[in-house]
Amino acid sequence: DQQVKQNSPSLSVQEGRISILNCDYTNSMFDYFLWYKKYPAEGPTFLISISSIKDKNEDGRFTVFLNKSAKHLSLHIVPSQPGDSAVYFCAATSSGNTGKLIFGQGTTLQVKP
Amino acid sequence: EAQVTQNPRYLITVTGKKLTVTCSQNMNHEYMSWYRQDPGLGLRQIYYSMNVEVTDKGDVPEGYKVSRKEKRNFPLILESPSPNQTSLYFCASSLGSTGELFFGEGSRLTVL
Repeated sequence: DQQVKQNSPSLSVQEGRISILNCDYTNSMFDYFLWYKKYPAEGPTFLISISSIKDKNEDGRFTVFLNKSAKHLSLHIVPSQPGDSAVYFCAATSSGNTGKLIFGQGTTLQVKP
Repeated sequence: EAQVTQNPRYLITVTGKKLTVTCSQNMNHEYMSWYRQDPGLGLRQIYYSMNVEVTDKGDVPEGYKVSRKEKRNFPLILESPSPNQTSLYFCASSLGSTGELFFGEGSRLTVL
């Protein structure tokens, strides 16, 4: 049972436009969410996170939105740059189950120049 | 330089031949974990450790063992590897269990 789902395996956008990556979760106990970026032949790197007490968190060009009622989060990248081309993973955990971080399947983003 | 180091980076082995993938971090992190990445399945947690001598199963622990005798090291042991353990493995560490994870560069394992 996939508790964290990224239903779009891939996304292609033009440089300068907005990239929106989506993630859905099923476990209502999750209260902390993270996004990671992964380039080929490298390990994932942390990008941005959000706690369930917030509905938005911003860091430069990256913004994560959380809709708890819909059990949905999204990552917005504005403006998108070719260097943003990578695989993006969302992840979730709960403060009552520390240590278990559940990842989605990943979305491959391609930003075209 | 702060880093998580995994070895080996690439390994081809045969069914049943015990192997160990080492993981070491130099950031004095309490939390460490192992993941495997497979196409269409994302990253799945194998085991994690909250501190020295404290380990627990993740989502796919079958066929794996771990130990945490020292804070910096968290080796992954495959006692009798099978072809379904062919995968890309990542070790990660963090200061807290919900904090930012620092990942190693990955170990690609092929079991024939």
